[in-house]
Amino acid sequence: SAVISQKPSRDICQRGTSLTIQCQVDSQVTMMFWYRQQPGQSLTLIATANQGSEATYESGFVIDKFPISRPNLTFSTLTVSNLSPEDSSIYLCSVETGGAVGANVLTFGAGSRLTVL
Amino acid sequence: AQTVTQSQPEMSVQEAETVTLSCTYDTSESDYYLFWYKQPPSRQMILVIRQEAYKQQNATENRFSVNFQKAAKSFSLKISDSQLGDAAMYFCAYGNTGTASKLTFGTGTRLQVTL
Repeated sequence: SAVISQKPSRDICQRGTSLTIQCQVDSQVTMMFWYRQQPGQSLTLIATANQGSEATYESGFVIDKFPISRPNLTFSTLTVSNLSPEDSSIYLCSVETGGAVGANVLTFGAGSRLTVL
Repeated sequence: AQTVTQSQPEMSVQEAETVTLSCTYDTSESDYYLFWYKQPPSRQMILVIRQEAYKQQNATENRFSVNFQKAAKSFSLKISDSQLGDAAMYFCAYGNTGTASKLTFGTGTRLQVTL
């Protein structure tokens, strides 16, 4: 399966600032997914990022708050903008591996823990 | 919309014993995938086991097996011969077939393994 590296692994930010999280995959992948895990909660999909097109956002998530870049088939960034304490979460990058597209097998990065003061 | 429910926030098992984690889901689809993911304190989400809904045979991966009851929309995970390294959060997840991998996760069950 793919190996995913996320940076930073954790960060503490002031409210009103922004944080950009990087996701690097060791192989080319069509789609990359960004999930959020709020403290003590489950994972919620933020958006799907395809190379060469705009990301597709899930209900409740907007591009102005969570801009995503996907410049090539191995890399993506997620920016969390205008930070508030409610944005304190773990943000996870994932890619689809282990079979045909739609086989739904996801490999996850180790996540980026964001704390907003 | 699909929903996934894990009714056990926490479970405990003694080392070498067997434990079963429960999961129910709701969907109107007939073909889909179900997953159990493990998240240890390191935060790395690890796929434990995967079940395809059209397969009647329950999936098995070494000490991990599932009891998939499609009509009841139930998907429980059995861990046999529990080990200290099994201690983690376990998430049940649902995914539609043939679409982008948008998984719907349950709220998780924290498993403690005691000596």
